[in-house]
Amino acid sequence: GQNIDQPTEMTATEGAIVQINCTYQTSGFNGLFWYQQHAGEAPTFLSYNVLDGLEEKGRFSSFLSRSKGYSYLLLKELQMKDSASYLCAVRRTDSWGKLQFGAGTQVVVTP
Amino acid sequence: GAVVSQHPSWVICKSGTSVKIECRSLDFQATTMFWYRQFPKQSLMLMATSNEGSKATYEQGVEKDKFLINHASLTLSTLTVTSAHPEDSSFYICSARDPGLHYEQYFGPGTRLTVT
Repeated sequence: GQNIDQPTEMTATEGAIVQINCTYQTSGFNGLFWYQQHAGEAPTFLSYNVLDGLEEKGRFSSFLSRSKGYSYLLLKELQMKDSASYLCAVRRTDSWGKLQFGAGTQVVVTP
Repeated sequence: GAVVSQHPSWVICKSGTSVKIECRSLDFQATTMFWYRQFPKQSLMLMATSNEGSKATYEQGVEKDKFLINHASLTLSTLTVTSAHPEDSSFYICSARDPGLHYEQYFGPGTRLTVT
């Protein structure tokens, strides 16, 4: 099995930066994904890391360290619409691309 | 990006009845689709993996006779909740894996099931 841990909730001010950490323990690692999910909606893809390092995509960046089993999602210049749950998900090589999701981090952006 | 649709978007049914949810990949052929369930304020829990032309693979603890999955074509998978009970009320989400993109799953908009 695999354990995926991320904080339950984080609060930040509009315009600020927030970093959401995700740690995982798994065998046969084959990529880590970050999804954004607004209440009552399906998740939307944000980023994918399979090699160590930083992937930047606009206001969102994601980092991966495979040796440490660690990733983070960095949200810059926070906007009110960024208030959502952010899900960390790990894919294993011994599956059909199945994703194992963490519990999600609820980000609350305040004015 | 690729589009995955689900139908219906919400459904209310009486206890003991069956409900079918459809998941379609609209602009690509998906040999593999996944079905998830999500309870309020919880994360997505994988229920089963659906492969076109073969039996679905269910996750531990998921009753295959209660949650019937059929992946009859490369663009359609269905989940039937049989003899539904109030505890089956949940948000059901499908995703489809595009074989042309090695890493991405596309999620459908979800189906809100309420069993009364």
